[in-house]
Amino acid sequence: GAVVSQHPSWVICKSGTSVKIECRSLDFQATTMFWYRQFPKQSLMLMATSNEGSKATYEQGVEKDKFLINHASLTLSTLTVTSAHPEDSSFYICSAKQELNQPQHFGDGTRLSIL
Amino acid sequence: LAKTTQPISMDSYEGQEVNITCSHNNIATNDYITWYQQFPSQGPRFIIQGYKTKVTNEVASLFIPADRKSSTLSLPRVSLSDTAVYYCLVGEDILTGGGNKLTFGTGTQLKVEL
Repeated sequence: GAVVSQHPSWVICKSGTSVKIECRSLDFQATTMFWYRQFPKQSLMLMATSNEGSKATYEQGVEKDKFLINHASLTLSTLTVTSAHPEDSSFYICSAKQELNQPQHFGDGTRLSIL
Repeated sequence: LAKTTQPISMDSYEGQEVNITCSHNNIATNDYITWYQQFPSQGPRFIIQGYKTKVTNEVASLFIPADRKSSTLSLPRVSLSDTAVYYCLVGEDILTGGGNKLTFGTGTQLKVEL
């Protein structure tokens, strides 16, 4: 079946560092990918919709200059957390939709810890 | 978007049938009901989607009454590996809808014991 892969699965870095997370659709092309954030014991919150070849659409309250999204190809979207701080520590999950009559497929997430 | 209400947690034992009910009183005519499963440190996995009456697949059944103001996810003969958070979502048809912006509620933590 369709697989969405995220890399890295876990990252720890110092405050002020920028961190890039990759989301790949391994066996299908995805014109649209989605980025979610999940804090411990909470639900997933949609951050932005990533569109191949165009600018991402951000949800209300999400800083586009802090969470840079690039969707340069039909199989890769990246999320860069710029100048990360401890409050950005969270579980970041991406998803992609394969085609009609198929649900979104989610990656296994990236756990980001900012010290 | 229709708001959903689910129990925060449920406990069960292996081999039992588990029914998780979700309330969505202000569901719109065009809304579908979708359930996802999430294990710790993993992304959600699609379980089932329905619009009305009953839908069944190889892992679960979804019961939707005529007024559609609630729905029940039924997991037959659960095992330890079914311990997870189950989310009820209400919105566009995720199988054919173009946008697919998913709004997750608080979910139900199901714990299955021996």
